[in-house]
Amino acid sequence: GAGVSQTPSNKVTEKGKYVELRCDPISGHTALYWYRQSLGQGPEFLIYFQGTGAADDSGLPNDRFFAVRPEGSVSTLKIQRTERGDSAVYLCASSLLVSTGELFFGEGSRLTVL
Amino acid sequence: GDSVTQMEGPVTLSEEAFLTINCTYTATGYPSLFWYVQYPGEGLQLLLKATKADDKGSNKGFEATYRKETTSFHLEKGSVQVSDSAVYFCALSDQGNQFYFGTGTSLTVIP
Repeated sequence: GAGVSQTPSNKVTEKGKYVELRCDPISGHTALYWYRQSLGQGPEFLIYFQGTGAADDSGLPNDRFFAVRPEGSVSTLKIQRTERGDSAVYLCASSLLVSTGELFFGEGSRLTVL
Repeated sequence: GDSVTQMEGPVTLSEEAFLTINCTYTATGYPSLFWYVQYPGEGLQLLLKATKADDKGSNKGFEATYRKETTSFHLEKGSVQVSDSAVYFCALSDQGNQFYFGTGTSLTVIP
């Protein structure tokens, strides 16, 4: 499809496990964002890529969270030693031109840590 | 820091009723303002935007005006439809690097 694709759509894991969430942005979009959305809350910024580099990672909550975008397209959000508080929907968005302000969101990856 | 405060929901309206969802913002500079909408089972999508003071964004019968003097960007629609049932998020962007979202307002329109 032509939209932002996120996999898996649902992930259930146990406390302490490692998790990877994948985002495939719209082809040609250079900007890529990760957000986290907890129940009843708005999306919370995690990290923003412009091309391959993380232009702003100030939203990552701690060093258990890491994201990469090695070829400037697909991005992976990695969470080590998961905790129950990490349970949320992780949203990815991409944008062609940062200046237009229009983000195209995927449907999200719902992470549940038991 | 920058932030958005959004009217809490949920909101339930009858079809053809008038809708207002309040949104106010705090920003150090001159942000762009947005309304995003999330329909059931779908990802967030841009509904409308305004990039400077006094601009009016509009789409699908929805409107919002960027009011610098009251730091507001209220969403309005004159006559809602059942298909407008969704969660609405107000957001601001400080030069496009970061987007700050409100907590969302759930709207249910009943026939």
